Amino acid sequence: GAGVSQSPRYKVAKRGQDVALRCDPISGHVSLFWYQQALGQGPEFLTYFQNEAQLDKSGLPSDRFFAERPEGSVSTLKIQRTQQEDSAVYLCASSLPTPYEQYFGPGTRLTVT
Amino acid sequence: KQEVTQIPAALSVPEGENLVLNCSFTDSAIYNLQWFRQDPGKGLTSLLLIQSSQREQTSGRLNASLDKSSGRSTLYIAASQPGDSATYLCAVRPRDSNYQLIWGAGTKLIIKP
Repeated sequence: GAGVSQSPRYKVAKRGQDVALRCDPISGHVSLFWYQQALGQGPEFLTYFQNEAQLDKSGLPSDRFFAERPEGSVSTLKIQRTQQEDSAVYLCASSLPTPYEQYFGPGTRLTVT
Repeated sequence: KQEVTQIPAALSVPEGENLVLNCSFTDSAIYNLQWFRQDPGKGLTSLLLIQSSQREQTSGRLNASLDKSSGRSTLYIAASQPGDSATYLCAVRPRDSNYQLIWGAGTKLIIKP
C-alpha cells in the first residue's frame, strides 16, 4: 500500500515568508509525528498527534512553528516568518497507536535564503 | 538525559568487505533500539528493530546486536555492496516514553566498487 507522502519535496523561501508543509500518513495510522533534521544530524522531535489531538508539542522550537491535524488524517506544519536557522529537512512519520513502529515519509527540504 | 552517539561519522570501504557500525547510548533504560537507512532525497527506512529483551536481530546480510548494560549496539553488514552506500542512523526509544525516539547523528557509509 501507499506509504507516507509529503509535499512539497523542496521549498525555497525568502526570510520572513510563511511556509506550509503537508504530510499524508498511511491510511489507518492514528499517530503522526513531525521531526526536523539539520544537515549532518539526526532527526529532532517536533510534535506528536494521536488522531486530531496534539498530545506533545514540546519540540517545537518557537511560537513561529504550528502544526495541525484537524480531521485526524492529513497534517500541516506551518512556519511563520521563516529564519535561516529553519533550513532543514522536515520529516513526517506515522504509526498505529503507539508504541508501534513509525514509518517515515521522504521529507521536505526547506531552504530559507 | 539520553544521548546517542555514532562513531565514525563517515566510513569508506571497498566492495565485498564486512563492516561494523557502532551506536552508543548513555541510559540503559530503553524500550527498543532501531537502525535506519537514509538515502539522499529519500526518507528513513527501518532496517532492524531490537526490543530491550533481545540480544540481536538479523535480516539478510544485516545483523544488529544490543548490549543494554554497556549501552552499545552494532550493525554488522556482510559482503558489502555499492548499493549499501547510505547514511545509517540508530535511534533508541526510552522506556518512559511510548513514542519518543532519540537519534544519533548517523554514519555516512560509502562502498567503493
